[in-house]
Amino acid sequence: SQQGEEDPQALSIQEGENATMNCSYKTSINNLQWYRQNSGRGLVHLILIRSNEREKHSGRLRVTLDTSKKSSSLLITASRAADTASYFCATSRTGANSKLTFGKGITLSVRP
Amino acid sequence: EADIYQTPRYLVIGTGKKITLECSQTMGHDKMYWYQQDPGMELHLIHYSYGVNSTEKGDLSSESTVSRIRTEHFPLTLESARPSHTSQYLCASSLTGVGSPLHFGNGTRLTVT
Repeated sequence: SQQGEEDPQALSIQEGENATMNCSYKTSINNLQWYRQNSGRGLVHLILIRSNEREKHSGRLRVTLDTSKKSSSLLITASRAADTASYFCATSRTGANSKLTFGKGITLSVRP
Repeated sequence: EADIYQTPRYLVIGTGKKITLECSQTMGHDKMYWYQQDPGMELHLIHYSYGVNSTEKGDLSSESTVSRIRTEHFPLTLESARPSHTSQYLCASSLTGVGSPLHFGNGTRLTVT
């Protein structure tokens, strides 16, 4: 069954606005990661948050993690047209040799 | 961008042909992965390797096979391609360690006619 599920499925905003994307998961995790995928390309790792962390920042990105609700959010502030892409959350479950499980992704469109 | 390379980028091939998708990384990563992704859909892990001579099947059943004879090289082979194999194939690598971030190649988009 799907470990990570993002919402909304698609998001369209104006340049300069903030974009908030959510991810929910089902089992205990070691860490949660967010990736970006531009059309026709591979995924690029954005940020990793460990299960004992609640918030993390990287440039215009802010990630929160609520392990009690089994959810995470990715906030992109002051969005740019270049942020247009698909965004995926991926979870690493507890346990040795655990592999990452990806959600279905969120399509973000930033209008100039 | 990470130093992981996939060739070819695009491949159109007829049913029944044997194909090999190449993946190489120059980062010395022990772990390598193959994911299958249909357009606009999630990634499904089809094969992974934790080191030389180590390969495992992933969560999604696949008729493909892989080999890991050298650390830097992780090719994927389809012995007899079918239209149902049409998809994008993404190769990735990571450092040893639980839940290490993945570095992805740009993928091979395969079309089987």
